[in-house]
Formats: sequence, C-alpha cells, structure tokens
Amino acid sequence: DIQMTQSPSSLAASVGDRVTITCRASQDISNSLAWYQQKPGKAPNLLFYGSSKLDRGVPTRFSGSGSGTDFTLTISSLQSEDFATYYCQQYYSTPKTFGQGTKVEIK
Amino acid sequence: QVQLRESGPGLVKPSGTLSLTCAVSGGSISSDYWWSWVRQSPGKGLEWIGDIYHGGSTDYNPSLKSRVTMSLDKSKNHFSMRLRSVTAADTAVYYCARQGSNRSFDYWGQGTLLTVAS
Repeated sequence: DIQMTQSPSSLAASVGDRVTITCRASQDISNSLAWYQQKPGKAPNLLFYGSSKLDRGVPTRFSGSGSGTDFTLTISSLQSEDFATYYCQQYYSTPKTFGQGTKVEIK
Repeated sequence: QVQLRESGPGLVKPSGTLSLTCAVSGGSISSDYWWSWVRQSPGKGLEWIGDIYHGGSTDYNPSLKSRVTMSLDKSKNHFSMRLRSVTAADTAVYYCARQGSNRSFDYWGQGTLLTVAS
C-alpha cells in the first residue's frame, strides 16, 4: 500500500496568515493526488484533484502543487471559514489511501 | 447537482452483517462513474472500502476484500454495500461518494454512523 504522510498534524494560525501543509507519498504517484477539507460533523469536500486542479467553487486563495512524492497545499490568506481538517489522498493505485489529516486551528 | 444519501441500521451486533445503501439523486448511477464507500473512525482516519463501476465491476480494499460485497440497483438509482463478520473495529462513520472522471471523490453523502456492539 502507498502510505501518505502529512505534516504538520496540526497547526494554529490567525486570520490572514499564509498556511502550508505538506503531503508525502511513500512512492511515486505522479500527480494522482487530491486534497479535501473536512469540517466537524461533515463529509470531506474536494478542493483539488490532479495535485493542482482546483475543484469548482473552491476559492482561489487555495493552491496545490507537487508531483511524484511531495505535494503541498497552500492557503494564501487564511479566512475564518478555512479552520478545518485537511486530507490528502492518492488515487494512483489500489488501495486508495489518505493522509492522517492536518487540523488547522485558530491561534 | 448530484446528491448522495446513506442509509443503514445504526447498530449491528458483533459477527453480524452490515448493509448500507446509498441513494443517488440529481444524476444516474448508470452514468460513466465509479461509486464508492469510504469510512472514518477515530483510530484509523479515512479508509477507502471499495468502488463499483456503473457496469458492475468492483474494486475492493484488499484489507476488507474477504468480507465486503458491493452492488448496484439501477431501477432504484442506488448502490449498496454489505460487510460481513463485523467487529468493534468496524465502528465508524460510513460515507458513500462518487468518483469523478479524474478519480477523486467529488460528491459525498452526509455519512451514517455504524456502531458494532452487543
């Protein structure tokens, strides 16, 4: 199985801060990576697919990058509605696997 | 707008069989998509269970393959999952989802909590 490792596991930030979350795959997954945002009691919501392709309706303050084994999710200016947990997921091979999540909290 | 909605028993006894259904609205399960189940437990985070294609092909997580079966009911526009021989480790929120053409999960149900307990 391909292991997905996110860092950090949690972070505290203020509104307006730039936030970066990293995701590392245990082997090359090309750009077969998605990012999701999840708020408490809700299902995950797709932000990016193909590493950097923004899903419909996702604000442009979010950006994604990377290929191979190293990927990054960046929020350029954190807004109050962005406090949530973020997950990466590879769909390069079966079984599809998720990172353990990064919780973004209010400082 | 595609919407998915899970339904299930909420509580299943150990060694029993879990049956979940996902009703799809705003789109047809006969469309060229894969339909999926994902679960989330505090101990294991998000775990992909498996997919079923509109034509009936399946792809299961090897860790669950011996216990899981997925099916489609095109007349009701829903798909289902059965998980046999459940234990406390199967306690989780179960989500159904659609995989878009890019293979990411682009639509999700709201989730249904399944507890395994006697």
